[in-house]
Amino acid sequence: GESVGLHLPTLSVQEGDNSIINCAYSNSASDYFIWYKQESGKGPQFIIDIRSNMDKRQGQRVTVLLNKTVKHLSLQIAATQPGDSAVYFCAEMDSSYKLIFGSGTRLLVRP
Amino acid sequence: NAGVTQTPKFQVLKTGQSMTLQCAQDMNHNSMYWYRQDPGMGLRLIYYSASEGTTDKGEVPNGYNVSRLNKREFSLRLESAAPSQTSVYFCASSEYRDRRGYTFGSGTRLTVV
Repeated sequence: GESVGLHLPTLSVQEGDNSIINCAYSNSASDYFIWYKQESGKGPQFIIDIRSNMDKRQGQRVTVLLNKTVKHLSLQIAATQPGDSAVYFCAEMDSSYKLIFGSGTRLLVRP
Repeated sequence: NAGVTQTPKFQVLKTGQSMTLQCAQDMNHNSMYWYRQDPGMGLRLIYYSASEGTTDKGEVPNGYNVSRLNKREFSLRLESAAPSQTSVYFCASSEYRDRRGYTFGSGTRLTVV
């Protein structure tokens, strides 16, 4: 069987630094993308979204960048805090309105 | 406001046993979903119900059945559990065609031995 966490990429950053988490999506027809944060023992929580007609969208301390040419998303977290430690997932949605999740990245914030 | 409630939170089954995972939402959402999450991986869609009275297969439906009991409740049944079904199961709900508004439950951790 699978072992816990072995296949999950991990990003370790110093508290106060900026974090960049990357994601590749698969479906060229997807026109909506979401970043989710998942803390241990909890379900995913919405962070920020972006439509395919945009390249960049900013929220509070977070920015999502979309590169449709190479089917790539990134999530930038400014001034990373200990509370940002979690697993982050990108997800894509096409006209069927079903949410398809990508692989996750574990973010560890060092004090 | 409880949001999406899943029961049980933890369950251990023997191979071949059956069980039903329960999910209820109190947000008057039309659409409900069941996902599974294997260690170190993203969530994969098992089944979904776009609206009361309809259900459709997702990415990994084999070995599962669902029932949309009413607008609030969407259950997932394992008729004959297998070790490959060891996973964390998440229920979610949303307004029909509301892309932003997925709300997830806190999950059911299932182990099949």
